[in-house]
Amino acid sequence: AQSVTQLGSHVSVSEGALVLLRCNYSSSVPPYLFWYVQYPNQGLQLLLKYTSAATLVKGINGFEAEFKKSETSFHLTKPSAHMSDAAEYFCAVNPFSGGYNKLIFGAGTRLAVHP
Amino acid sequence: DTAVSQTPKYLVTQMGNDKSIKCEQNLGHDTMYWYKQDSKKFLKIMFSYNNKELIINETVPNRFSPKSPDKAHLNLHINSLELGDSAVYFCASSQAPTFGLAGAGEQFFGPGTRLTVL
Repeated sequence: AQSVTQLGSHVSVSEGALVLLRCNYSSSVPPYLFWYVQYPNQGLQLLLKYTSAATLVKGINGFEAEFKKSETSFHLTKPSAHMSDAAEYFCAVNPFSGGYNKLIFGAGTRLAVHP
Repeated sequence: DTAVSQTPKYLVTQMGNDKSIKCEQNLGHDTMYWYKQDSKKFLKIMFSYNNKELIINETVPNRFSPKSPDKAHLNLHINSLELGDSAVYFCASSQAPTFGLAGAGEQFFGPGTRLTVL
């Protein structure tokens, strides 16, 4: 079964510092991968998606992620953290199970940004 | 002009009661989903409907019964509520039921319904 592992349930950075949130997936074929963000008491918002068109994917709010097949990774980065980036981040894979869309989520990483 | 909306936002009820959560999407999507987010923030799919037809039914107690009157609406009815049902329930939609037909299967989520069973 396909799965997603997010290393680090909590990440804390200073404002202006690099943000790196790690995601590894298990899949026998290159999957479709997503990063979602959840602000407190809100739903999930799509940050970016990997669909095999390009290994470096740019998303909203200055975030980007790089798909590395050899490492089965899809880490999320942002060069300079902003206070408003504080939220829960979820990596997800579409496992193509039975041909139907079904997102499998990682456990999430809470990002804290301090002044 | 909310894309995916859910009602109610908060639901507090006693054990043993029956309750419903409603979801509506105005994106013109064919496929809708219910996800459960537990107290540790873990998200897991429960059901998926495509144009009113059930296509995904994960291992969910029979007390949970989804209903889709049309492709823009997906409701979730829960019978005999238990303490363990306390969670945030998210509705989502996607353009098509499978990847490739339209995009990578990205899903658009509603704001969630926080269910508390006392």
